[in-house]
Amino acid sequence: EAGVVQSPRYKIIEKKQPVAFWCNPISGHNTLYWYLQNLGQGPELLIRYENEEAVDDSQLPKDRFSAERLKGVDSTLKIQPAELGDSAVYLCASSLDGGSPGAEQFFGPGTRLTVL
Amino acid sequence: DAKTTQPTSMDCAEGRAANLPCNHSTISGNEYVYWYRQIHSQGPQYIIHGLKNNETNEMASLIITEDRKSSTLILPHATLRDTAVYYCTLGAGGTSYGKLTFGQGTILTVHP
Repeated sequence: EAGVVQSPRYKIIEKKQPVAFWCNPISGHNTLYWYLQNLGQGPELLIRYENEEAVDDSQLPKDRFSAERLKGVDSTLKIQPAELGDSAVYLCASSLDGGSPGAEQFFGPGTRLTVL
Repeated sequence: DAKTTQPTSMDCAEGRAANLPCNHSTISGNEYVYWYRQIHSQGPQYIIHGLKNNETNEMASLIITEDRKSSTLILPHATLRDTAVYYCTLGAGGTSYGKLTFGQGTILTVHP
Protein backbone atom coordinates (compact mmCIF):
# COMPACT_ATOMS: atom_id res chain seq x y z
CA GLU A 1 0.00 0.00 0.00
CA ALA A 2 1.36 3.40 -0.98
CA GLY A 3 1.95 5.88 1.80
CA VAL A 4 1.31 9.60 1.79
CA VAL A 5 2.85 11.14 -1.30
CA GLN A 6 4.17 14.67 -1.38
CA SER A 7 5.76 16.71 -4.12
CA PRO A 8 8.09 18.31 -4.70
CA ARG A 9 10.55 16.99 -2.11
CA TYR A 10 12.64 20.11 -2.32
CA LYS A 11 11.91 23.64 -3.50
CA ILE A 12 14.12 26.70 -3.63
CA ILE A 13 12.56 30.05 -4.47
CA GLU A 14 13.29 33.72 -4.04
CA LYS A 15 11.30 35.76 -1.56
CA LYS A 16 8.05 37.24 -2.80
CA GLN A 17 7.58 34.37 -5.24
CA PRO A 18 4.60 32.01 -4.96
CA VAL A 19 5.02 28.32 -4.18
CA ALA A 20 2.69 25.33 -4.00
CA PHE A 21 2.97 21.94 -2.38
CA TRP A 22 0.92 18.91 -3.30
CA CYS A 23 -0.18 15.97 -1.15
CA ASN A 24 -1.93 12.72 -1.99
CA PRO A 25 -3.10 10.93 1.17
CA ILE A 26 -3.46 7.21 1.69
CA SER A 27 -6.45 5.90 -0.22
CA GLY A 28 -9.62 5.98 1.86
CA HIS A 29 -8.29 8.36 4.49
CA ASN A 30 -10.86 11.04 5.21
CA THR A 31 -8.69 13.29 7.33
CA LEU A 32 -5.78 15.26 5.92
CA TYR A 33 -3.36 17.50 7.79
CA TRP A 34 -0.73 20.04 6.80
CA TYR A 35 2.06 20.68 9.28
CA LEU A 36 5.00 23.07 9.28
CA GLN A 37 8.27 21.95 10.86
CA ASN A 38 11.05 24.38 11.60
CA LEU A 39 14.59 23.12 12.12
CA GLY A 40 14.99 21.47 15.50
CA GLN A 41 11.29 21.78 16.35
CA GLY A 42 8.34 19.45 16.32
CA PRO A 43 5.65 19.73 13.64
CA GLU A 44 3.01 22.45 14.06
CA LEU A 45 -0.46 21.96 12.64
CA LEU A 46 -1.46 24.45 9.95
CA ILE A 47 -4.77 23.02 8.79
CA ARG A 48 -6.86 19.89 9.11
CA TYR A 49 -9.47 18.64 6.63
CA GLU A 50 -12.31 16.23 7.14
CA ASN A 51 -13.09 15.24 3.55
CA GLU A 52 -13.44 18.59 1.72
CA GLU A 53 -14.07 20.68 4.81
CA ALA A 54 -11.34 22.56 6.65
CA VAL A 55 -12.33 21.85 10.25
CA ASP A 56 -9.32 23.51 11.90
CA ASP A 57 -7.40 26.27 10.15
CA SER A 58 -6.81 28.44 13.19
CA GLN A 59 -3.01 28.20 12.82
CA LEU A 60 -2.92 28.96 9.09
CA PRO A 61 -1.57 32.47 8.33
CA LYS A 62 -4.36 33.40 6.00
CA ASP A 63 -2.77 36.56 4.66
CA ARG A 64 -0.32 34.54 2.61
CA PHE A 65 -1.18 30.85 3.03
CA SER A 66 -4.07 29.04 1.42
CA ALA A 67 -5.05 25.43 1.07
CA GLU A 68 -7.62 23.40 -0.75
CA ARG A 69 -8.78 19.80 -0.86
CA LEU A 70 -11.10 19.54 -3.82
CA LYS A 71 -13.11 16.31 -4.01
CA GLY A 72 -11.82 15.33 -0.59
CA VAL A 73 -8.77 13.49 -1.87
CA ASP A 74 -5.51 15.25 -2.69
CA SER A 75 -4.64 18.67 -1.37
CA THR A 76 -2.56 21.71 -2.27
CA LEU A 77 -0.95 24.18 0.11
CA LYS A 78 0.08 27.52 -1.35
CA ILE A 79 2.16 30.42 -0.12
CA GLN A 80 1.94 33.76 -1.89
CA PRO A 81 4.16 35.66 -1.51
CA ALA A 82 6.83 33.63 0.26
CA GLU A 83 8.97 35.25 2.95
CA LEU A 84 12.38 34.29 4.27
CA GLY A 85 10.81 32.99 7.47
CA ASP A 86 8.76 30.46 5.53
CA SER A 87 11.83 28.30 5.01
CA ALA A 88 10.89 25.02 6.68
CA VAL A 89 9.68 21.49 5.99
CA TYR A 90 6.00 21.21 5.10
CA LEU A 91 4.54 17.87 6.11
CA CYS A 92 1.30 16.30 5.00
CA ALA A 93 -0.38 13.57 7.02
CA SER A 94 -3.58 11.57 6.75
CA SER A 95 -5.67 9.35 8.96
CA LEU A 96 -8.60 7.06 8.37
CA ASP A 97 -10.86 8.98 10.71
CA GLY A 98 -9.14 11.84 12.48
CA GLY A 99 -12.21 12.45 14.60
CA SER A 100 -11.82 9.16 16.42
CA PRO A 101 -9.84 9.08 19.65
CA GLY A 102 -6.53 7.36 19.18
CA ALA A 103 -6.49 7.85 15.41
CA GLU A 104 -3.04 7.20 13.97
CA GLN A 105 -1.65 9.81 11.61
CA PHE A 106 0.49 8.72 8.67
CA PHE A 107 3.02 11.29 7.52
CA GLY A 108 4.54 11.91 4.14
CA PRO A 109 8.26 12.66 3.68
CA GLY A 110 7.67 16.40 3.54
CA THR A 111 8.69 19.22 1.21
CA ARG A 112 11.75 21.18 2.24
CA LEU A 113 11.28 24.82 1.24
CA THR A 114 14.16 27.24 1.08
CA VAL A 115 13.36 30.91 0.51
CA LEU A 116 16.32 33.04 -0.59
CA ASP B 1 -3.57 22.70 24.73
CA ALA B 2 -1.79 20.62 27.34
CA LYS B 3 1.96 20.47 26.92
CA THR B 4 4.57 17.76 27.32
CA THR B 5 8.10 17.93 28.66
CA GLN B 6 10.81 15.57 27.49
CA PRO B 7 14.58 15.41 27.99
CA THR B 8 16.45 16.95 25.10
CA SER B 9 18.61 13.92 24.43
CA MET B 10 19.34 10.38 25.64
CA ASP B 11 21.82 7.66 24.82
CA CYS B 12 21.30 3.92 24.80
CA ALA B 13 23.51 0.95 24.07
CA GLU B 14 22.44 -1.36 21.27
CA GLY B 15 20.48 -4.33 22.57
CA ARG B 16 19.52 -2.59 25.78
CA ALA B 17 16.12 -1.21 26.68
CA ALA B 18 15.58 2.47 25.97
CA ASN B 19 13.27 4.19 28.45
CA LEU B 20 12.05 7.59 27.28
CA PRO B 21 10.18 9.67 29.86
CA CYS B 22 7.53 12.31 29.27
CA ASN B 23 5.81 14.65 31.68
CA HIS B 24 2.28 15.85 30.94
CA SER B 25 1.07 17.14 34.29
CA THR B 26 -1.77 19.22 32.80
CA ILE B 27 -3.28 16.41 30.74
CA SER B 28 -7.05 16.44 30.48
CA GLY B 29 -9.20 13.45 31.33
CA ASN B 30 -10.06 12.62 27.73
CA GLU B 31 -6.63 13.25 26.18
CA TYR B 32 -4.65 10.37 24.78
CA VAL B 33 -0.87 10.11 25.02
CA TYR B 34 0.74 9.45 21.64
CA TRP B 35 4.33 8.67 20.76
CA TYR B 36 5.80 9.31 17.35
CA ARG B 37 9.37 9.18 16.14
CA GLN B 38 11.14 10.92 13.30
CA ILE B 39 14.19 9.58 11.58
CA HIS B 40 16.33 12.12 9.78
CA SER B 41 14.76 13.48 6.57
CA GLN B 42 11.58 11.47 7.01
CA GLY B 43 8.13 12.32 8.30
CA PRO B 44 7.13 11.30 11.82
CA GLN B 45 6.10 7.69 12.32
CA TYR B 46 3.44 6.56 14.76
CA ILE B 47 4.65 4.26 17.54
CA ILE B 48 1.92 3.78 20.13
CA HIS B 49 -0.80 5.54 22.07
CA GLY B 50 -2.75 5.08 25.28
CA LEU B 51 -5.34 6.66 27.53
CA LYS B 52 -4.70 5.26 31.01
CA ASN B 53 -3.80 1.60 30.70
CA ASN B 54 -0.35 0.38 29.77
CA GLU B 55 -0.06 -0.60 26.12
CA THR B 56 2.26 -2.82 24.12
CA ASN B 57 2.67 -3.43 20.42
CA GLU B 58 5.34 -4.85 18.17
CA MET B 59 7.41 -1.68 18.38
CA ALA B 60 7.25 -0.56 21.99
CA SER B 61 5.51 -0.47 25.35
CA LEU B 62 3.85 2.54 26.90
CA ILE B 63 3.63 2.90 30.65
CA ILE B 64 1.28 5.61 31.95
CA THR B 65 1.30 6.51 35.62
CA GLU B 66 -1.90 6.12 37.57
CA ASP B 67 -2.40 9.88 37.86
CA ARG B 68 -1.66 10.16 34.10
CA LYS B 69 0.78 13.00 34.69
CA SER B 70 3.68 11.18 33.12
CA SER B 71 4.48 8.28 30.86
CA THR B 72 7.43 6.23 29.64
CA LEU B 73 8.03 4.78 26.23
CA ILE B 74 10.05 1.59 26.32
CA LEU B 75 11.94 0.17 23.36
CA PRO B 76 12.82 -3.26 24.76
CA HIS B 77 15.86 -4.03 22.62
CA ALA B 78 17.15 -0.87 20.95
CA THR B 79 18.91 -1.14 17.60
CA LEU B 80 20.95 1.40 15.67
CA ARG B 81 17.91 2.00 13.47
CA ASP B 82 16.01 3.28 16.51
CA THR B 83 18.20 6.40 16.53
CA ALA B 84 15.65 9.18 15.98
CA VAL B 85 13.78 12.07 17.57
CA TYR B 86 10.97 10.75 19.77
CA TYR B 87 7.92 12.92 20.33
CA CYS B 88 5.49 12.52 23.17
CA THR B 89 2.29 14.34 22.29
CA LEU B 90 -1.26 14.64 23.51
CA GLY B 91 -4.34 14.28 21.38
CA ALA B 92 -6.90 16.96 22.19
CA GLY B 93 -10.30 15.72 23.22
CA GLY B 94 -13.79 16.72 22.21
CA THR B 95 -14.18 17.80 18.61
CA SER B 96 -10.43 18.12 18.13
CA TYR B 97 -9.40 14.50 18.51
CA GLY B 98 -7.20 14.80 15.46
CA LYS B 99 -5.12 17.68 16.72
CA LEU B 100 -1.67 16.75 18.01
CA THR B 101 0.62 19.30 19.62
CA PHE B 102 4.24 18.28 19.25
CA GLY B 103 7.03 19.53 21.50
CA GLN B 104 10.74 19.46 20.72
CA GLY B 105 11.09 15.75 21.41
CA THR B 106 13.98 13.63 22.70
CA ILE B 107 16.91 12.84 20.45
CA LEU B 108 17.68 9.18 21.13
CA THR B 109 21.08 7.98 20.02
CA VAL B 110 21.66 4.23 20.04
CA HIS B 111 25.35 3.37 19.96
CA PRO B 112 27.10 0.06 19.31
